[in-house]
Amino acid sequence: QVQLQQWGTGLLKPSETLSLTCAVYGGSFSDYYWTWIRQPPGKGLEWIGEITHSGSTNYNPSLKSRVTLSVETSKRQFSLKLRSVTAADTAVYYCARVMYSSMFDAFDIWGQGTMVTVSS
Amino acid sequence: SSELSQDPAVSVALGQTVRITCQGDSLRRFYASWYQQKPGQAPVLVIYGKNNRPSGIPDRFSGSSSGNTASLTITGAQAEDEADYYCNFRDSSGNHQVFGTGTQVTVL
Repeated sequence: QVQLQQWGTGLLKPSETLSLTCAVYGGSFSDYYWTWIRQPPGKGLEWIGEITHSGSTNYNPSLKSRVTLSVETSKRQFSLKLRSVTAADTAVYYCARVMYSSMFDAFDIWGQGTMVTVSS
Repeated sequence: SSELSQDPAVSVALGQTVRITCQGDSLRRFYASWYQQKPGQAPVLVIYGKNNRPSGIPDRFSGSSSGNTASLTITGAQAEDEADYYCNFRDSSGNHQVFGTGTQVTVL
């Protein structure tokens, strides 16, 4: 059974850097993309970006200037860094596995979510 | 845009059928995926591809697509289907994912 376990800092001050890591237990690491998604309190889902096992990335254009995704294949982990956070970055952050094909993508396995609060 | 419009809320009588739709130009090329999210929980994939259900998802959930519109249908809605539902697919560039704004489904 594949599981994703994520961790990172839950309380940040404005201008600091958000840092989260997601570990993959079970299943293949190289046959999937890996992604981060966030959800502000009471709002919808927002895609942040995705990374392959070899380190190729795609980012949400609205966040691209502040986001870096990285991967450590040997540890089966991938990470998110979001710089210069503001209160607008307060959200639950999820990591997820991406099934992909030429015709569809699907986030089939999700981490438990991490609540990140930005407050002075 | 990184979000797609969905009807904010729909209601359905217990045992009846409800359909949720999602529109986007890239749906002419890609299939949407659909997620169910209950309060305080991570989203759960319920439909992907042409009309595929992950293991454990009841067959009352089905998906379809026509032109630029994707649909999720719940046939014989149950009380436990009350949740928020989001669509998702790649945008026309093929490099970015987008989510629908979400539909709150209430089972009466």
